[in-house]
Amino acid sequence: DIQMTQSPPSLSASVGDRVTITCRASQGISNYLAWFQQKPGKAPKSLIYAASSLQSGVPSKFSGSGSGTDFTLTISSLQPEDFATYYCQQYNSYPITFGQGTRLEIK
Amino acid sequence: EVQLLESGGDLVQPGGSLRLSCAASGFTFTTYAMTWVRLAPGKGLEWVSTISGSGYSTYYADSVKGRFTISRDNSKNTLFLQMTSLRAEDMALYYCAKGRDNSGFYMRLLDSWGQGTLVTVSS
Repeated sequence: DIQMTQSPPSLSASVGDRVTITCRASQGISNYLAWFQQKPGKAPKSLIYAASSLQSGVPSKFSGSGSGTDFTLTISSLQPEDFATYYCQQYNSYPITFGQGTRLEIK
Repeated sequence: EVQLLESGGDLVQPGGSLRLSCAASGFTFTTYAMTWVRLAPGKGLEWVSTISGSGYSTYYADSVKGRFTISRDNSKNTLFLQMTSLRAEDMALYYCAKGRDNSGFYMRLLDSWGQGTLVTVSS
């Protein structure tokens, strides 16, 4: 199984800040990496696929990069609605696996 | 607009059974793979099972293989998860999610999710 290790587990930031979340795969997954946002009581929302492609309707403040084993999600100019939990997911092979999540909190 | 509405979650005793449903709308259901993912208390997202658009191909996490069965009724645009021999560790919020495509890598790329249905396993 491909293990996905996300860091940091939690992150405190202020409105207007730029933050970066990292996801590392235990083996190469090319660019078969997606990022999701989840708010309490809400369905997860797809943000990015193919490591760096924005899902339709997602603002350009979200960006992704990486290939192989190391990936990043960057969120610029944080707004109150961006404080949530973020997950990475590899879809290179079964079993589908997720990172443990990064909880982004308001400082 | 894609809509996925899960139902069927309940309180069940260890060893019991439950069937979850996911009603889909807003897309051509039969042409997309569908997946169940769960979120246990204090834990991260865990993939449970995926089924192809035709229902012919199914895939399971080792943790549920032999106990859970994924299926779909394409005439009713509905996805199912039959869960048997339930354990405390199966207690979670269960989400259904739509794949971006019906084959290859994009079968496993989840682009729309429901709100989830809660399964509680306790005596």
